[in-house]
This record gives sequence, C-alpha cells and structure tokens, in this order.
Amino acid sequence: GAVVSQHPSRVICKSGTSVKIECRSLDFQATTMFWYRQFPKQSLMLMATSNEGSKATYEQGVEKDKFLINHASLTLSTLTVTSAHPEDSSFYICSAGIRTGGIDGYTFGSGTRLTVV
Amino acid sequence: GESVGLHLPTLSVQEGDNSIINCAYSNSASDYFIWYKQESGKGPQFIIDIRSNMDKRQGQRVTVLLNKTVKHLSLQIAATQPGDSAVYFCAERSGGSYIPTFGRGTSLIVHP
Repeated sequence: GAVVSQHPSRVICKSGTSVKIECRSLDFQATTMFWYRQFPKQSLMLMATSNEGSKATYEQGVEKDKFLINHASLTLSTLTVTSAHPEDSSFYICSAGIRTGGIDGYTFGSGTRLTVV
Repeated sequence: GESVGLHLPTLSVQEGDNSIINCAYSNSASDYFIWYKQESGKGPQFIIDIRSNMDKRQGQRVTVLLNKTVKHLSLQIAATQPGDSAVYFCAERSGGSYIPTFGRGTSLIVHP
C-alpha cells in the first residue's frame, strides 16, 4: 500500500532555531499533501494543504511565514518551523492524498514530536 | 459551522467484548467517511472507509455503519483485543472538497 515516510520522528531544538520536517511518498506520487498539528488528547488540526509545484494553502490562523511548506516534487514535501518557540511544541503529521481520479483516500506519516526548549 | 463530532471521548471494554464507537456529522453533503486508529506517538492508520451510497461495510473484525438519515457513523470492533487500545477518529469529506474533516476522537481502552 501507499506509504509516507516522515522524518524526524522526534526533535528537540532551542528556541529561535528552525526545524525541517520531511515527508516522502515511497511508492506513489503525492500530488497533494496535508500538514496537521495535534495537541495532546486532541484531534488533528489542518494547518495547510500543498499541491506539487504550487504554493501551499494555509488554514485561517496559521502563519505562513512561520510554517514554511515546500512541495517541489511529487515525492517530497517539507514543513519548516522557523524561529521556533516553546508554544510551537507539538505533534506534526503529514498526510498524502491518494489519487485514483479524485482523491480516494489519505495515508499518514508517522508524525514528528517537536519540543522547543 | 459544519463539523464532525464524537459522542464518547473514552470507551473502556473488556478483552473479547465487542466495541462500538460512534460519530455524528452535520454536513449533509458528506459523501465519504473514514475511520482511523491512532496509537500513542504515531500517525493515524486507516481502518475502513465507506461511501454515502452504502450503509454498511465490513472488514476484518471491523464494521462501519452509516445512517445518513440521522447523520451518524459507527465503528464496530468485534472481539476487542488489547492491541485495539488507541484513539479512533472518524473523518468525513463532502463531494465538493478533497479535504477531510476529523472528529474529536474516542479513546478506546481494552482491559485484559
């Protein structure tokens, strides 16, 4: 089945630094990638949707200059948290839309636990 | 606004029992529904899906029921095992969008 590899699984960084999270589709082309943020014991909050080769569409309230999304190829999408602060600490998850005509399903990465100290 | 929600935030069952996790949705245009299982510290894992032209779909030990009249979705897990302990999310999507909306989640705890 379709697999999305997400790295790193855990990262601890100092306040003010930037962190890049990568999601790669291993055996399919991820035309559309969704990026989510999840707080403990809460649901997934959509941050942005990216389509290969075009700018990401950010959800209301998500700072696009802080959460930089790049989807330059059909197999790689990245989320960079710039100038991270402790309040950015969270679980970040990517999800690729599986296309057979329209989008028929979604496969998720394993998530990245970001801790900003 | 339109949303997907869950009735029970936590469900505790004994090993071997059947589990039923419920989900209500409000968007009458929703036509595709998915159940996901998320274990602690991991990404959601697809369990089963159903389209609005069906009212029941079965997988291995799991059954999804869709009642469009009352906008209700349920996930039934037969012979629940400790390995089924996780948070379960329902997600819905309307035909006019390719973006899924996730419900709040239900934590299933299976006692041996």
